Amino acid sequence: AQTVTQSQPEMSVQEAETVTLSCTYDTSESDYYLFWYKQPPSRQMILVIRQEAYKQQNATENRFSVNFQKAAKSFSLKISDSQLGDAAMYFCAYRSANGNKLVFGAGTILRVKS
Amino acid sequence: AAGVIQSPRHLIKEKRETATLKCYPIPRHDTVYWYQQGPGQDPQFLISFYEKMQSDKGSIPDRFSAQQFSDYHSELNMSSLELGDSALYFCASSVAGVKNEQYFGPGTRLTVT
Repeated sequence: AQTVTQSQPEMSVQEAETVTLSCTYDTSESDYYLFWYKQPPSRQMILVIRQEAYKQQNATENRFSVNFQKAAKSFSLKISDSQLGDAAMYFCAYRSANGNKLVFGAGTILRVKS
Repeated sequence: AAGVIQSPRHLIKEKRETATLKCYPIPRHDTVYWYQQGPGQDPQFLISFYEKMQSDKGSIPDRFSAQQFSDYHSELNMSSLELGDSALYFCASSVAGVKNEQYFGPGTRLTVT
């Protein structure tokens, strides 16, 4: 079974600075998808960014980018120019290419200081 | 853009009662997923449907059942409710085989007293 580990329960960043959230996963599969979801206090789950395992190029979405290291099974999220609205719980998630379910990590609470 | 709709948004039930949660996927999405998020926990996959057929099953209790209807909306039926069923229940939808992105609804908060 696949597992996702987020080793940072909580992180803080100063507004306008950069922060990196860590995620590692365990799988024996070669084809899969990785995601970062944001859950603000409203509890809505918002897709931030996705990465296909077969792509070597790291995904980027505006201020959000990932560092995908397939051999190390690592998938970190970098948030640049942090904004107060980035404060939320961030979940890393895995999905098999042949499967349906998302497997989530325990989450990292991100606090943004003004 | 249209999003996933879930109803009700909040539900309070007593132990041993029954609850029905509804999910209306994004138009043209054919796959629906149900997740349960307990307090302070990550979402746990319950069950999914593709074209009205169950496509995958996770840690869904036998007291729960779900189905997807011809208009693609889905219902999660929960019977003999227990205190431990109190959680946020998310529905997500996607288009099968396309980008594999699941879009989540706002969730239904179920409180069992």
